Amino acid sequence: TQLLEQSPQFLSIQEGENLTVYCNSSSVFSSLQWYRQEPGEGPVLLVTVVTGGEVKKLKRLTFQFGDARKDSSLHITAAQPGDTGLYLCAGTHGSSNTGKLIFGQGTTLQVKP
Amino acid sequence: DTAVSQTPKYLVTQMGNDKSIKCEQNLGHDTMYWYKQDSKKFLKIMFSYNNKELIINETVPNRFSPKSPDKAHLNLHINSLELGDSAVYFCASSHRGAGTRGYTFGSGTRLTVV
Repeated sequence: TQLLEQSPQFLSIQEGENLTVYCNSSSVFSSLQWYRQEPGEGPVLLVTVVTGGEVKKLKRLTFQFGDARKDSSLHITAAQPGDTGLYLCAGTHGSSNTGKLIFGQGTTLQVKP
Repeated sequence: DTAVSQTPKYLVTQMGNDKSIKCEQNLGHDTMYWYKQDSKKFLKIMFSYNNKELIINETVPNRFSPKSPDKAHLNLHINSLELGDSAVYFCASSHRGAGTRGYTFGSGTRLTVV
């Protein structure tokens, strides 16, 4: 079973602080995706990383894929209340072309003004 | 211009009833999925169809039956609903593989069985 462990599960911070969310596995993934989900809505794709060691930036969000493609991190600089939501990492397994995504348990982020 | 639309948004029903959830996508994707999100927000795949062909069928009770009349539609029928079926069900679509382009999700159907 390929599992993705996300940490922390909950994070409550003040506006302006920095934070990092981690996504770890014992399995190698061919790609790793990050989604954000707001209440009452479906997850929305933020980024996909496919190459070991890859770093992608999306404004104040920085995503990194581990060299061995078993882990990933999401770093948010100067968090804002609009960043509040559920952050999900999800991976695809290289041996399958079914498109099956395996999700982590999610990190609930609350940014207080 | 909704990309993935699913109906209804909310569904409250009694145990033992049969209900259906409908999903449609206008993105030209060839693969569609049903995911279940439990009370702890964990998303787990149930089914996937590629061009109307079932390609993923995870360990789901056979009370759940997906149906794909064409590649733009994927419906989910649930027979003999149980309390444990209460959850949010998400439809999603992608190009086959989804490795780099990801999924597009619908906004979910919150099913409550009483």
